[in-house]
Amino acid sequence: GDSVTQMEGPVTLSEEACLTINCTYTATGYPSLFWYVQYPGEGLQLLLKATKADDKGSNKGFEATYRKETTSFHLEKGSVQVSDSAVYFCALSAFEGGATNKLIFGTGTLLAVQP
Amino acid sequence: GAGVSQSPRYKVAKRGQDVALRCDPISGHVSLFWYQQALGQGPEFLTYFQNEAQLDKSGLPSDRFFAERPEGSVSTLKIQRTQQEDSAVYLCASSLPGSNYGYTFGSGTRLTVV
Repeated sequence: GDSVTQMEGPVTLSEEACLTINCTYTATGYPSLFWYVQYPGEGLQLLLKATKADDKGSNKGFEATYRKETTSFHLEKGSVQVSDSAVYFCALSAFEGGATNKLIFGTGTLLAVQP
Repeated sequence: GAGVSQSPRYKVAKRGQDVALRCDPISGHVSLFWYQQALGQGPEFLTYFQNEAQLDKSGLPSDRFFAERPEGSVSTLKIQRTQQEDSAVYLCASSLPGSNYGYTFGSGTRLTVV
């Protein structure tokens, strides 16, 4: 079945460092890909998305490119801030005959940014 | 409403007790999902509604889990005879139809079975 694999955390960085969180997927169809973020004590928030190959999603300085050839959707940011500390989830959504477009999540990666 | 609202925010249940978790989706969102998030894990799909119709319940872990959305708006997830393994955060999400839109999640209900 469809699945998402993302790098284990925690990832600990100093402020202004570069961030990459790896995400790869397995899907039989052509899924849409998402990154969600969960700040401490809060619900999941959509960070960015891409719906087809070579699309680049971006938001708040984060970006990820849908790479069909490597089945990857790595999350990147050039300069992280303390406020970016959160758990990041990679997810895919695959239509199943139009009946369900449920999300399949990775296990999450905790990012801790130190001042 | 402005967002997806879930209640209660926290629930402690004794093993064997029945619980009911409520979700108020964003007005006009026809799609509604329930997910279960165990500690340190990603959310896992439980069930999906389109309006009042439950189109997919393949993720419900046992027949103790039951969900309904009788008028196509508010949804209730009911767990009968709770067990310790049911302890998790239960997330509700709503969306417009189609995977391109992404979903809006509520803050979840943290269920602890003691």
